[in-house]
Amino acid sequence: NAGVMQNPRHLVRRRGQEARLRCSPMKGHSHVYWYRQLPEEGLKFMVYLQKENIIDESGMPKERFSAEFPKEGPSILRIQQVVRGDSAAYFCASSPSREAEAFFGQGTRLTVV
Amino acid sequence: DQQVKQNSPSLSVQEGRISILNCDYTNSMFDYFLWYKKYPAEGPTFLISISSIKDKNEDGRFTVFLNKSAKHLSLHIVPSQPGDSAVYFCAASARDTDKLIFGTGTRLQVFP
Repeated sequence: NAGVMQNPRHLVRRRGQEARLRCSPMKGHSHVYWYRQLPEEGLKFMVYLQKENIIDESGMPKERFSAEFPKEGPSILRIQQVVRGDSAAYFCASSPSREAEAFFGQGTRLTVV
Repeated sequence: DQQVKQNSPSLSVQEGRISILNCDYTNSMFDYFLWYKKYPAEGPTFLISISSIKDKNEDGRFTVFLNKSAKHLSLHIVPSQPGDSAVYFCAASARDTDKLIFGTGTRLQVFP
């Protein structure tokens, strides 16, 4: 049973470009969470999704950020028109249910130049 | 508004001794608490959890204590080993929401 898979591991984008981060949850996990870690800070919740539904997006910036978890395929975190402040490590986690602990992927490190 | 706080950014402990990592929270609705361990360039790894109906949970060298009245939890590692050197994050969730709120982490260094 493979763990949570995130790709790419590293992503470099110029200001104004789009960034797409992918997350494939563990087999059997229907809950997906996205977190962002800025340098020298903890993990900040962004969004919680279940298949085809956004359950809680209270941590998502109001503009330029969107997330989806389609019926088929990985969850995608999309950042449009990236700015330098978007540079961070983005972690995805999945769990089979709320009561179970969430397993994290290795993260995608986004650098905006 | 930092709902989960880890006030010690770093901790240094000698091998074989006890490591105590602390975490405070402000939201009385939190009912489930977890500790994660993180190595550089890797994702957090689940370590141990505790429900609010308990005050202690033990797993091998790791024990988590919960003091609900003080809104405080701690992770004890005994005996500490050099491989325990990592950043430790405390996290909490409330019954009406499934998201985990993380603290800012404590960097533990275990030296020989």
